[in-house]
Amino acid sequence: SSELTQDPAVSVALGQTVRITCQGDSLRSYYASWYQQKPGQAPVLVIYGKNNRPSGIPDRFSGSSSGNTASLTITGAQAEDEADYYCNSRDSSGNHLGVFGGGTKLTVL
Amino acid sequence: QVQLQESGPGLVKPSETLSLTCTVSGGSVSSGSYYWSWIRQPPGKGLEWIGYIYYSGSTNYNPSLKSRVTISVDTSKNQFSLKLSSVTAADTAVYYCARGFPEDGVLRYFDWGQGTLVTVSS
Repeated sequence: SSELTQDPAVSVALGQTVRITCQGDSLRSYYASWYQQKPGQAPVLVIYGKNNRPSGIPDRFSGSSSGNTASLTITGAQAEDEADYYCNSRDSSGNHLGVFGGGTKLTVL
Repeated sequence: QVQLQESGPGLVKPSETLSLTCTVSGGSVSSGSYYWSWIRQPPGKGLEWIGYIYYSGSTNYNPSLKSRVTISVDTSKNQFSLKLSSVTAADTAVYYCARGFPEDGVLRYFDWGQGTLVTVSS
């Protein structure tokens, strides 16, 4: 079982806004990072820190955090955003161990 | 831009040791800024963090795998490696190597290898 909990699947209409959430005790102390993974490809970092996007990531991707919940928001979802999304942070003991959420499959309708 | 490339056998027999190597180009495993990591993904499932090694040689492993995992670094070849002993079918997965950068107390993985599928089967 993962120490970070995500909804298994979420859907969004093309051009609409969708929020993907991640819950875990460690998120009260540490920011999550978010990874996008398309079939047959390695994950790609899309959001890290308070709300930072690596170079090349569209600004429709944003991150936020409140209490034990981190969120990834896609404003104006595009067909190419259909993918699996994983959150990642430290374990709840804070021992600098990596932990991933179970992943959320995003479908763009 | 750093590039990472996994290599190693694609088929390992049960009870044997899985061995993979990650070759780094465009950067140095001796850099004091990064944590060289392994992450795996069983077919159709999510990502699982395996562990990392720092250039100094210090390591940190997933508690669920700790008794079977060894990550090492070879600075002369600019490579780092993963060994996982006593494998079973549950260890069948795509194995990724990645470069972790610490920020706000969390490792961010900006750079990944393409991944290599390792199947455990007799």
